[in-house]
Amino acid sequence: DTAVSQTPKYLVTQMGNDKSIKCEQNLGHDTMYWYKQDSKKFLKIMFSYNNKELIINETVPNRFSPKSPDKAHLNLHINSLELGDSAVYFCASSLTRGNTEAFFGQGTRLTVV
Amino acid sequence: GNSVTQMEGPVTLSEEAFLTINCTYTATGYPSLFWYVQYPGEGLQLLLKATKADDKGSNKGFEATYRKETTSFHLEKGSVQVSDSAVYFCALPTLNRDDKIIFGKGTRLHILP
Repeated sequence: DTAVSQTPKYLVTQMGNDKSIKCEQNLGHDTMYWYKQDSKKFLKIMFSYNNKELIINETVPNRFSPKSPDKAHLNLHINSLELGDSAVYFCASSLTRGNTEAFFGQGTRLTVV
Repeated sequence: GNSVTQMEGPVTLSEEAFLTINCTYTATGYPSLFWYVQYPGEGLQLLLKATKADDKGSNKGFEATYRKETTSFHLEKGSVQVSDSAVYFCALPTLNRDDKIIFGKGTRLHILP
């Protein structure tokens, strides 16, 4: 059983399109995250949710909108895609907020052409 | 706020060599410390962790000791293998209102047969 799964694994799309990435965790965790990894492997947090409540909203363009229908799911919708949005996006979850590790999905490689 | 600094890569070693990847941190409070590993094309996996000062985390032959006096959490392995080639990230939680995990910039490790 995959603990944190995200779909799709690869996404190639044209500039200006709108796309979504889905994430689900079956670990019973309360907290979920979206991270962006650039071409140099640098990881930057974008959003976090705890029990469907938005906790962290880093300086991310408002074209990016997370949605958490329940605490097991955290989806990422991106409007009007730009070339600079090309990156690998990782979903992660942790048991709770605070001093605990996160478990990561396999990543979605987004390429905007 | 909490932060983590790890040595720049890439690091290239021959099989069976001794590995050290340095990581130092600044922190308020007493955060857990983590090492994550990212194999090519995959998501991040927790490699090991330590939850308090002088704790030693270990897994797959890797070790790291939580050193409060030197604010360090260096990753070591006595004899590396080709299969250890990956990117390694040192990480810690912020333990503030945001409660996010922040990552070092990653160290790419190449092991030559």
